[in-house]
Amino acid sequence: EAEVAQSPRYKITEKSQAVAFWCDPISGHATLYWYRQILGQGPELLVQFQDESVVDDSQLPKDRFSAERLKGVDSTLKIQPAELGDSAMYLCASSHGTSGGSSYNEQFFGPGTRLTVL
Amino acid sequence: AQRVTQPEKLLSVFKGAPVELKCNYSYSGSPELFWYVQYSRQRLQLLLRHISRESIKGFTADLNKGETSFHLKKPFAQEEDSAMYYCALSNTNAGKSTFGDGTTLTVKP
Repeated sequence: EAEVAQSPRYKITEKSQAVAFWCDPISGHATLYWYRQILGQGPELLVQFQDESVVDDSQLPKDRFSAERLKGVDSTLKIQPAELGDSAMYLCASSHGTSGGSSYNEQFFGPGTRLTVL
Repeated sequence: AQRVTQPEKLLSVFKGAPVELKCNYSYSGSPELFWYVQYSRQRLQLLLRHISRESIKGFTADLNKGETSFHLKKPFAQEEDSAMYYCALSNTNAGKSTFGDGTTLTVKP
């Protein structure tokens, strides 16, 4: 059964360093999401792609975070420089996306990347 | 702005008892509502969505637009239902999703 893949699963870094996370969505899924989940809270949407285009990045701290999905398939989320407050679980999800007015918004989640900033 | 509120962080019931996990939302349009579940050491996965109006693992949820609620219910809880449950809302126009902070359900033997 197809699943969303993420790597690495765990990342420990020092503040001011750069980190990058990778996500490979389920084949054929047009929509890709990056979430940040702080312990005790629900996932918070950082950025949403429809194919290679960003459709929402209103909650992405653009001074340090960047995301790309160049060919509309896999995606990379980068943080530079990392800060202590960035310690969290970073989740990637994908969905079929919207088509012709009907919605296929069921999201399939990856296992997440646990980031610890020291 | 869209918002999802799950007022209970923790909920504990005995096996065989009814359970209700509350979810309230705010959204100006017609939302899509979902319940996601995360079992121990597993990834987040869809439990049910309001559009399908189906019962999954004995759980049901009814969208009440008047009360802007989407509570999750099960008449007889089982130990294997112990998990973290998240209510989520999707903007039908752009698919933007907002999650609640989750409720940890513990079903005691």
